[in-house]
Amino acid sequence: EPEVTQTPSHQVTQMGQEVILRCVPISNHLYFYWYRQILGQKVEFLVSFYNNEISEKSEIFDDQFSVERPDGSNFTLKIRSTKLEDSAMYFCASSEDWRELYEQYFGPGTRLTVT
Amino acid sequence: QKEVEQDPGPLSVPEGAIVSLNCTYSNSAFQYFMWYRQYSRKGPELLMYTYSSGNKEDGRFTAQVDKSSKYISLFIRDSQPSDSATYLCAMTSTSGSARQLTFGSGTQLTVLP
Repeated sequence: EPEVTQTPSHQVTQMGQEVILRCVPISNHLYFYWYRQILGQKVEFLVSFYNNEISEKSEIFDDQFSVERPDGSNFTLKIRSTKLEDSAMYFCASSEDWRELYEQYFGPGTRLTVT
Repeated sequence: QKEVEQDPGPLSVPEGAIVSLNCTYSNSAFQYFMWYRQYSRKGPELLMYTYSSGNKEDGRFTAQVDKSSKYISLFIRDSQPSDSATYLCAMTSTSGSARQLTFGSGTQLTVLP
């Protein structure tokens, strides 16, 4: 069964450093998302991406964040200058097309620890 | 008022019990309602979704939506130890170009053998 994959599973970085989290969405999916979950808190929407453009973004997704689809398979989230409060689990998700945008499939997540 | 509220539990039941998990919400624009299961340190796994009001059944799982009360439920029949996980409700509206999901905080369920 196709699945969303994410690398690395755990990333440790120092405050102020740049990190790139990588995702490979399900191959025939067209819509891509990033969510985050701070330990003990809700899963929160960050950004959605379609046709090489950001479709929607939340207040969390400020200028420190960017997303990119550098090739036909990868989808990345970059945090330019990490803060302690960026420590969280980051989930990538994808959905097939506009008729099923609510049917989002999540990857296993990348645990980001900022020290 | 929070957009989506969910009793965090923890909820502990014996194997074979019927489990009821619930969420309430405040945004009347929500039209699609999803239930995800999340095992510890894993990504949310989509269990089922419902559009607007009504019931939907999938095996041992039944999802109910009551839009008039802004209340959704997930019932698990004949619960198994393998059902032990955190259950997240999520919802979204039909407006906008993509669907950002709004999640509840999750209910931690333990099914005891």
